Amino acid sequence: DTAVSQTPKYLVTQMGNDKSIKCEQNLGHDTMYWYKQDSKKFLKIMFSYNNKELIINETVPNRFSPKSPDKAHLNLHINSLELGDSAVYFCASSQVLGQGAGNEQFFGPGTRLTVL
Amino acid sequence: AQKVTQAQTEISVVEKEDVTLDCVYETRDTTYYLFWYKQPPSGELVFLIRRNSFDEQNEISGRYSWNFQKSTSSFNFTITASQVVDSAVYFCALRGGANSKLTFGKGITLSVRP
Repeated sequence: DTAVSQTPKYLVTQMGNDKSIKCEQNLGHDTMYWYKQDSKKFLKIMFSYNNKELIINETVPNRFSPKSPDKAHLNLHINSLELGDSAVYFCASSQVLGQGAGNEQFFGPGTRLTVL
Repeated sequence: AQKVTQAQTEISVVEKEDVTLDCVYETRDTTYYLFWYKQPPSGELVFLIRRNSFDEQNEISGRYSWNFQKSTSSFNFTITASQVVDSAVYFCALRGGANSKLTFGKGITLSVRP
């Protein structure tokens, strides 16, 4: 059973298009995250949701909009894609933030986005 | 502000050698958490270990061991008798108090040659 799953695994699209990446976790965690890994492998958090509520929003362009329909799902929608958006996007989940601030995050397999 | 420094960028060893991956961190939080993750060539991120700031006990898990020293703000990772399957990028990460984000170091690419 996959703990944190993402779809699609690969996404190739043209500049200016709008695309979405879906994430689901079956670990019963309350907190979910989106990370971006650039071509130099640098990992940086983009968003964090706790029980469908946005709690971390880094300085990400507002073309990126996360949506959490329930605590098991956190989707990422990207409008007007740009060349610089090409990266690997990872979804992750962990137990409750705050009380369990030290709880490890479990990552999905990643979505490699290529913008042409 | 939080910061994680992995000064080594690439390390290459021959199989069966021991190798230590360094991690130095900065934080103003009195309670914080340190992590190591492995990213093999297949691309997934695999959690290896978590260490709380109030627990300086070192840990050994098979060929892996971790040395946490608050006095030097370091959390180093040693692989004993390395194997080809250990080839991966290894990330050290730090998280402070409640609602703080997980900050990653830049990663160390380890290549283990047969």
